Amino acid sequence: QVQLVQSGAEVKKPGASVKVSCKASGYTFTGYYMHWVRQAPGQGLEWMGWISPNSGGTNYAQKFQGRVTMTRDTSIITAYMELSRLRSDDTAVYYCASSSWLRGSLDPWGQGTLVTVSS
Amino acid sequence: NFMLTQPHSVSESPGKTVTISCTGSSGSIASNYVQWYQQRPGSAPTTVIYEDNQRPSGVPDRFSGSIDSSSNSASLTISGLKTEDEADYYCQSYDSSNQGVVFGGGTKLTVL
Repeated sequence: QVQLVQSGAEVKKPGASVKVSCKASGYTFTGYYMHWVRQAPGQGLEWMGWISPNSGGTNYAQKFQGRVTMTRDTSIITAYMELSRLRSDDTAVYYCASSSWLRGSLDPWGQGTLVTVSS
Repeated sequence: NFMLTQPHSVSESPGKTVTISCTGSSGSIASNYVQWYQQRPGSAPTTVIYEDNQRPSGVPDRFSGSIDSSSNSASLTISGLKTEDEADYYCQSYDSSNQGVVFGGGTKLTVL
C-alpha cells in the first residue's frame, strides 16, 4: 500500500524555522517527485515546490524562494521541507504528495502537518 | 504565470447533476492535463479525476471530467448527487513556463 506519513504538529515563534518530514512506503521512492502543498485555515491549496528524490533537484514556487528548502534522505525514504523566517501567515497545514511525472496527478498525499506560528 | 479560476461555491439537490468549471488564464488548458481533487473537512485531498477525464479505481462513475478548448476550461461533472459528495473540489494542472504545479482556488459543493 502506497503511503506517506508525516511528522507531528509544530508550534513555532515568528522568525524561527520548521522542518517537516514525510516518510514513504509501498513504492519506489526515487521514481516519483515529492511535492509540498500548504493550506492556511479556511483557504485553498497552495503549491510550494517539488523535489526529485532521484537526483535531489528542486523547483520552488517563486513566493517561497529563499525561505524554503526541500531535501530527501533516500536511505530512510524520507523527504523534508524546511521553511525559515516564519511569520504568522505561515500558519497552515503542510502536505507532502507524490507524482510519477510533473504533468500528472499528486497521489497519494500525506495526512498533513499543522504548523502554528505564534508569539 | 498560469492561473486556474473556479467558482467559489455551487449547490444542488440530491440526485441532480452539478458541473464545476475551471478556467485557464492563458495559453491552452488542453496543452497540459487537468486533475480534480476532493477534500472533505479535516482530511487530505484525494484524486477523483486525473489526466482530464480518467477516474482512479474506487471513484464512482458518477464523476466525470472534460476539457472545452473553446472556453479554455475544464469541467468536473457529478451526476446523481449524494450528500456524501459535499466537499471542496480543486482543479490542478501544470505550468510549463516554470515546471510548477497550479491549483484552482477551490469550489465548495453543497448538496442540500
